[in-house]
Amino acid sequence: DTGVSQDPRHKITKRGQNVTFRCDPISEHNRLYWYRQTLGQGPEFLTYFQNEAQLEKSRLLSDRFSAERPKGSFSTLEIQRTEQGDSAMYLCASRYGTASYNEQFFGPGTRLTVL
Amino acid sequence: RKEVEQDPGPFNVPEGATVAFNCTYSNSASQSFFWYRQDCRKEPKLLMSVYSSGNEDGRFTAQLNRASQYISLLIRDSKLSDSATYLCVVPISSGSARQLTFGSGTQLTVLP
Repeated sequence: DTGVSQDPRHKITKRGQNVTFRCDPISEHNRLYWYRQTLGQGPEFLTYFQNEAQLEKSRLLSDRFSAERPKGSFSTLEIQRTEQGDSAMYLCASRYGTASYNEQFFGPGTRLTVL
Repeated sequence: RKEVEQDPGPFNVPEGATVAFNCTYSNSASQSFFWYRQDCRKEPKLLMSVYSSGNEDGRFTAQLNRASQYISLLIRDSKLSDSATYLCVVPISSGSARQLTFGSGTQLTVLP
């Protein structure tokens, strides 16, 4: 399978703990995006990488959130001191090129539950 | 006003019916638009892109009205497999990048 992969698929944690998610994009895709989706809503943009550079961060991304893409390949999203409001599906997407019409391919997501 | 607004749904239609979803967007500078489909507990997948006045792909037709900032998706001859949430998506320029801004989605259930 050469699609976008995410790990883990599910994560249950206690409030206050740190969690880290991984995304492996499609290999030739230079752009990588993180989104958050809550029940009944569409995905909300969190942050975006072009190669290894993080070029955009949403206001939704508080100081407790950090994302990296160290070698321009896989990316990690870390949430420190998790809160119950962080419970959501975290989606990663990737695409190639600069044109806005290039399709973003989504991974299966990591479902986070904060108890 | 939200950047992308969709019919809240849900839409419950019998097999074979024609159903239309509406979407309005606030950024008049947006040039391209998308409809994504999301099955329950799955990731969104691109259904159609819309760059000019409209696009047709089999049973699916997307139309764009730039003057009214309005996009629609028409599904003809609905199949049970069309049951899903349909997300209206608008790229909106922000900072150095174009971000995809998603509507909240419209849920469709096609009934036998």
